[in-house]
Amino acid sequence: AQSVTQPDIHITVSEGASLELRCNYSYGATPYLFWYVQSPGQGLQLLLKYFSGDTLVQGIKGFEAEFKRSQSSFNLRKPSVHWSDAAEYFCAVGPPAAGNKLTFGGGTRVLVKP
Amino acid sequence: KAGVTQTPRYLIKTRGQQVTLSCSPISGHRSVSWYQQTPGQGLQFLFEYFSETQRNKGNFPGRFSGRQFSNSRSEMNVSTLELGDSALYLCASSFTTDTQYFGPGTRLTVL
Repeated sequence: AQSVTQPDIHITVSEGASLELRCNYSYGATPYLFWYVQSPGQGLQLLLKYFSGDTLVQGIKGFEAEFKRSQSSFNLRKPSVHWSDAAEYFCAVGPPAAGNKLTFGGGTRVLVKP
Repeated sequence: KAGVTQTPRYLIKTRGQQVTLSCSPISGHRSVSWYQQTPGQGLQFLFEYFSETQRNKGNFPGRFSGRQFSNSRSEMNVSTLELGDSALYLCASSFTTDTQYFGPGTRLTVL
């Protein structure tokens, strides 16, 4: 069965600093990979996705992620964070053969210091 | 296009009752998936419906059920509610097997 690990439960970053959120997955082949963001009391908003092709993918709000097959990782990055980036971020995998059954990581809560 | 809508947004029930939650997908989307989000277990997949048929199912007891109508709208039902069913229930829609777009969720509190 597939699994997703987000090693960092909380990350605090200063406004304007760079941000990197880690995501490691376990799956026998290359899955579909996603990053979602959730603000308090809200649903999940898709930031970006990887299905195949270029391993560096660009998303909304200035986020990017890099798929590294050798490390089974899909880390999310942003060069300069804004106070509005404070939220919880979820990495998810969805095996292509399993319909839309996503497996999520535990999430990383990002706090932004002024 | 309008996004995924879920009704109601908030619900309070007591143990032993049953509840029905509703989800309207993005227009044209045929797949609807349901997820439960709790502080302890995180985000867990409940089930997915595609063209009125259940296509995938997670590891939840039979008290959790769902259905999809011909217009792709979906409902999920939880019978004999337990305290542990208190959660945010999220619905997501997609065209086929690709990107899922989530609704705002229904916050269920079981007293």
